[in-house]
Amino acid sequence: GENVEQHPSTLSVQEGDSAVIKCTYSDSASNYFPWYKQELGKRPQLIIDIRSNVGEKKDQRIAVTLNKTAKHFSLHITETQPEDSAVYFCAASSHRDDKIIFGKGTRLHILP
Amino acid sequence: AAGVIQSPRHLIKEKRETATLKCYPIPRHDTVYWYQQGPGQDPQFLISFYEKMQSDKGSIPDRFSAQQFSDYHSELNMSSLELGDSALYFCASSPAGNEQYFGPGTRLTVT
Repeated sequence: GENVEQHPSTLSVQEGDSAVIKCTYSDSASNYFPWYKQELGKRPQLIIDIRSNVGEKKDQRIAVTLNKTAKHFSLHITETQPEDSAVYFCAASSHRDDKIIFGKGTRLHILP
Repeated sequence: AAGVIQSPRHLIKEKRETATLKCYPIPRHDTVYWYQQGPGQDPQFLISFYEKMQSDKGSIPDRFSAQQFSDYHSELNMSSLELGDSALYFCASSPAGNEQYFGPGTRLTVT
């Protein structure tokens, strides 16, 4: 089955700097890669996603890149703000079964 | 916009008791997923339903069962509860095409 690895587990960046979180997946059939943001005790919130027919997608300060050959995908947050502090999960799923397999999460701290 | 509704939001049960969690998907979403999230863990897929039929099964214990009803709401039934079942249980719904939107979760505490 699918296995998603996520790094780093914890990331601290100065407010205004950029943050990058990287993930790898194992199942070449995976074709959908969402990113979720989760604040303590709250639901995972879908913040951006990318499909395997696209290499990059951007939404304001958030961008995601996908390298299908290397089975890598990354989340980039620019001009970080205090409200970006949260746990971020990468995930992968395939059209075959649709269930989402999550990475272990990255706890992002934005330092004032 | 309407979101996924889960009830109850909090539930406290004793060991060996049973619990039923309910999920009301976003209108016109035909797929429902259940996830279990322990403290500091990533959400773990339990089970999913598409058009009222079970579509996939993950790491769901045999003590748990679930179904989706004609109005598309889903219920997760948990029996012989154990201390290790204490977790956040999320339901997510999806229209055709992968995107899953999570409900607020049910926090289950087993004492």
